Amino acid sequence: AQSVTQPDIHITVSEGASLELRCNYSYGATPYLFWYVQSPGQGLQLLLKYFSGDTLVQGIKGFEAEFKRSQSSFNLRKPSVHWSDAAEYFCAVGANYGNKLVFGAGTILRVKS
Amino acid sequence: DTEVTQTPKHLVMGMTNKKSLKCEQHMGHRAMYWYKQKAKKPPELMFVYSYEKLSINESVPSRFSPECPNSSLLNLHLHALQPEDSALYLCASSQDPAGGSTDTQYFGPGTRLTVL
Repeated sequence: AQSVTQPDIHITVSEGASLELRCNYSYGATPYLFWYVQSPGQGLQLLLKYFSGDTLVQGIKGFEAEFKRSQSSFNLRKPSVHWSDAAEYFCAVGANYGNKLVFGAGTILRVKS
Repeated sequence: DTEVTQTPKHLVMGMTNKKSLKCEQHMGHRAMYWYKQKAKKPPELMFVYSYEKLSINESVPSRFSPECPNSSLLNLHLHALQPEDSALYLCASSQDPAGGSTDTQYFGPGTRLTVL
């Protein structure tokens, strides 16, 4: 069965610093991978997705993610964090039946000024 | 436009009440979903509708009753809930149920439910 691990529960970065959020997946075939962001009390917004092709994926709000099959990873990066990026970030993999998404536990990003 | 709307934003109900959550999308999507999200946890899938038919029920208790009256609307009827059912209920939609795991889901803002 598919699973997603986000090793970091909380991350704190300074405004203007670079960011990398880690995501590792377990899946037997080609994974379909997503990053979503959730502000407190809000729904989930899609940041980016990977299905196939170029392993470096660009998303909204200046985010990018790199798919590395050899490491079973799909880490999210941003070169310069803004205070408005403070939120919870979820990595997810598409399950191999139906339309089910399997989410990681999430990483809470705090941005200090 | 990738907007999914949900009403109400907040709902407080007693354990003997009957209430409904509503979700709407006008993107022509043919798959719609209900998720439950407890505090500090990821969303958990409850139900999936494909072409207005229930395709996945993740062993959800019968006090939650989904309904898909047409391709744009999804309801979740609530009856005899327990305090532990208090959570954020998220609706999502995606374009093509046949797309399987490549079908991108778009989420609404959620309904914050409190059961007293």
